Amino acid sequence: AQSVAQPEDQVNVAEGNPLTVKCTYSVSGNPYLFWYVQYPNRGLQFLLKYITGDNLVKGSYGFEAEFNKSQTSFHLKKPSALVSDSALYFCAVRDPQYNFNKFYFGSGTKLNVKP
Amino acid sequence: EAGVAQSPRYKIIEKRQSVAFWCNPISGHATLYWYQQILGQGPKLLIQFQNNGVVDDSQLPKDRFSAERLKGVDSTLKIQPAKLEDSAVYLCASSLGVLEWRGGSDTQYFGPGTRLTVL
Repeated sequence: AQSVAQPEDQVNVAEGNPLTVKCTYSVSGNPYLFWYVQYPNRGLQFLLKYITGDNLVKGSYGFEAEFNKSQTSFHLKKPSALVSDSALYFCAVRDPQYNFNKFYFGSGTKLNVKP
Repeated sequence: EAGVAQSPRYKIIEKRQSVAFWCNPISGHATLYWYQQILGQGPKLLIQFQNNGVVDDSQLPKDRFSAERLKGVDSTLKIQPAKLEDSAVYLCASSLGVLEWRGGSDTQYFGPGTRLTVL
C-alpha cells in the first residue's frame, strides 16, 4: 500500500538557521515525490518534485529536497529560514504502478520560524 | 495565467442540509481533482476526472456525495444530506493530464478551497 509519513507535527527554527522538514514514503515501485506548502486560508502551492535523475531537487523560494532511495526519504530543506516560510508543509507521493495521477499526502508539518 | 478558481470560499450549513461547491480549473487542464482536508490531516482524494470521465472515485461517499464535470471543464461537488463529520476544507486541483498523465510526473495545482462548517 502507498503511504507517506511526516513524523513531526511541528518544527521550530530560528530565522537564518537551516531547516529540515522530514518525509518518508512507502510505495511498491519507483516513487514520484512532491512537496506542497499551505498558508492559512489558502490552497496548496507546489514547491518541488522528484521524478527521476539527480537526487537533489531545487524548487521555489529557495527550498530543495533530497531523494534517498535506501532510506525511502524525501526531506525538505532550506539553508536559511525566513519568518515568511512559516506555514504548513505537505509531502505527497504518487505510485506510477497504480493510478498515475493519484496523490497520497502526509499529515503535514507546521513550520514555525521565529525572528 | 489564472489559477484554479473555487466558490464559495466559506459555507456554514446545518446537518441534513445540502451544499454545492464549484471549481473552474486552469485553462487547458484535462484532469480535475476534488479533495477533502479535515483539520489536522492531509488532503484526501474524493474524485478524479479525466476530461468529463471519472478516473477514481473510490473514496467518495457515494450515498451522500456526488460530483460532475459535464463539459470537461468546470465541476460541481455536492453533499446531500450533510453530516457533522463533513466539516472540512474542500480543495479542487487540476493538472495537464493529457500527455503527461501516464508518466505520473503531472503537477497538480490547487485552488484556495471552500471551508465547510456543518452545525
